[in-house]
Amino acid sequence: GAVVSQHPSRVICKSGTSVKIECRSLDFQATTMFWYRQFPKKSLMLMATSNEGSKATYEQGVEKDKFLINHASLTLSTLTVTSAHPEDSSFYICSATVGTLRTEAFFGQGTRLTVV
Amino acid sequence: SQKIEQNSEALNIQEGKTATLTCNYTNYSPAYLQWYRQDPGRGPVFLLLIRENEKEKRKERLKVTFDTTLKQSLFHITASQPADSATYLCALQRSNSGYALNFGKGTSLLVTP
Repeated sequence: GAVVSQHPSRVICKSGTSVKIECRSLDFQATTMFWYRQFPKKSLMLMATSNEGSKATYEQGVEKDKFLINHASLTLSTLTVTSAHPEDSSFYICSATVGTLRTEAFFGQGTRLTVV
Repeated sequence: SQKIEQNSEALNIQEGKTATLTCNYTNYSPAYLQWYRQDPGRGPVFLLLIRENEKEKRKERLKVTFDTTLKQSLFHITASQPADSATYLCALQRSNSGYALNFGKGTSLLVTP
């Protein structure tokens, strides 16, 4: 199956700093990638849809100026958490769909962000 | 509003038994439904997809049923093994976000020897 690689797997940062998370499709091109967030014992929640060469589409309630998404190539999307606060601590996961019908999603390993 | 509900947060069964997980949904008219496995601290891994015109689908020890009238899917793991212990997520395609998915909260399965 397709491989989506996410980096870093864990990061600890201080309040007020910014953190960049990378999501790469290793063996396929992804014009669209998705960023999810998951709190403990909660479901994955879609944050935004990352579109190669254009602006990301954010879900209601997600601050686009805080969660900056860049999808500059067909194999890389980045999520930058700016001016991080402890409440931004969460598990962030990216995914991409492949194939003509794009019914199957492949997920990265996830990034555990802890803001102290 | 759209909802995806999965039965009980945790399910404990003995090795060798069949685990049955339930997914109910409201306010969706899905063309297909998916099941994923998620291990702690990891991203979900795709397991099975079942289409609206399919009643049942199998893959090795996994079986999924899909009843669009009841708006329910059942996920079965036969001859369960401790290695099957994980959280299992039910997912449906979102209406207005391309190919993004909505997920249930998941059911945590623990298979004990």
